[in-house]
Amino acid sequence: GAVVSQHPSWVICKSGTSVKIECRSLDFQATTMFWYRQFPKQSLMLMATSNEGSKATYEQGVEKDKFLINHASLTLSTLTVTSAHPEDSSFYICSLAGGPDIQYFGAGTRLSVL
Amino acid sequence: GIQVEQSPPDLILQEGANSTLRCNFSDSVNNLQWFHQNPWGQLINLFYIPSGTKQNGRLSATTVATERYSLLYISSSQTTDSGVYFCAVGKGGGNKLTFGTGTQLKVEL
Repeated sequence: GAVVSQHPSWVICKSGTSVKIECRSLDFQATTMFWYRQFPKQSLMLMATSNEGSKATYEQGVEKDKFLINHASLTLSTLTVTSAHPEDSSFYICSLAGGPDIQYFGAGTRLSVL
Repeated sequence: GIQVEQSPPDLILQEGANSTLRCNFSDSVNNLQWFHQNPWGQLINLFYIPSGTKQNGRLSATTVATERYSLLYISSSQTTDSGVYFCAVGKGGGNKLTFGTGTQLKVEL
């Protein structure tokens, strides 16, 4: 299966700063990637669908100006949390669609905003 | 949107025991997958099973699409089976998935 590398695995930042999370497909051309957020003891919530070369599609209730997504190549999608606040602290996970029947997930990024 | 409820929410087993996890969904779907999230957060695909029955080693799954539920069976559980099990469903195209509420499993020696 496809290998998805997500970086960093853990980041701590001060309130008001921006944080960029990278999701790389190491061996698969990913035209579509997904970004999820998971709060402790909760399920994964889809934030947005990232499409290579076009604007991301955000789920209802997700602020596109707060969570900037860039998918400029077939192997890299980035999520930037702008002006992060403590309530943005969460586990962020990316995935890519390997076909209609499978998604491959990154290992996740744990964000803590102080 | 589609609602996906899983039961039980928490489960503690002794090593070697069997268990059944359930996933109920509120609408017809054409995509249903089971995942295991290990204690470090990594998600692993277990099954793609929009209908029918599949088996992979000690795990098997059955989806009854007409009744909108799926079951995941774990036999002879091991401590490495610990973690959270999610089912996720999709409707229409585009690979978009809605995740269920999850079952937290702990297998003890």
